[in-house]
Amino acid sequence: GDSVTQTEGQVTVSESKSLIINCTYSATSIGYPNLFWYVRYPGEGLQLLLKVITAGQKGSSRGFEATYNKEATSFHLQKASVQESDSAVYYCALRATGGNNKLTFGQGTVLSVIP
Amino acid sequence: EAAVTQSPRSKVAVTGGKVTLSCHQTNNHDYMYWYRQDTGHGLRLIHYSYVADSTEKGDIPDGYKASRPSQENFSLILELASLSQTAVYFCASSELGGHTEVFFGKGTRLTVV
Repeated sequence: GDSVTQTEGQVTVSESKSLIINCTYSATSIGYPNLFWYVRYPGEGLQLLLKVITAGQKGSSRGFEATYNKEATSFHLQKASVQESDSAVYYCALRATGGNNKLTFGQGTVLSVIP
Repeated sequence: EAAVTQSPRSKVAVTGGKVTLSCHQTNNHDYMYWYRQDTGHGLRLIHYSYVADSTEKGDIPDGYKASRPSQENFSLILELASLSQTAVYFCASSELGGHTEVFFGKGTRLTVV
């Protein structure tokens, strides 16, 4: 079946420094999957941060960006300068273009930004 | 704004007891989902539904039942709660289509003792 891997369970970054959270995926369904980053702030539900549905394209939101690399099967999340308010849990996810419409998630990365 | 509301937000249940988690959406979405999250793991799909009065098994359905009495409501039922079902449960809804956004509730923290 489909799978998503986030190698970092926890990342700590100083404010104004750059960030990268790694995400790789494996999709068994026909066609290229749609890729997403979701974020969960303390006490809140998951909310969509950004999505890319076309291989080779880049998505961006709130200063974050991620590029859909179908050759490397990667979708890393980057930000040039993090803020303390970015502290949250970040989830990479994929969704097949057919089938039951479900999201397959990575295990999540806890980001702590130190002021 | 799209909204998914879960109740209760937290619950302590005894082993062997029955637990019902409720979810209500005002998005007019056809698809609804129940996920569970364990520490250090991503969200895993338990059950989902794409139409009222019908539910489908997800990736980890054992020990859970689901009920979709209307388009707006989707419940998760643990008939005999076990310690291994201690987790955070998320309900979600979406329209049909792999590119569409999935909207999540705030989660229910279930502790089985």
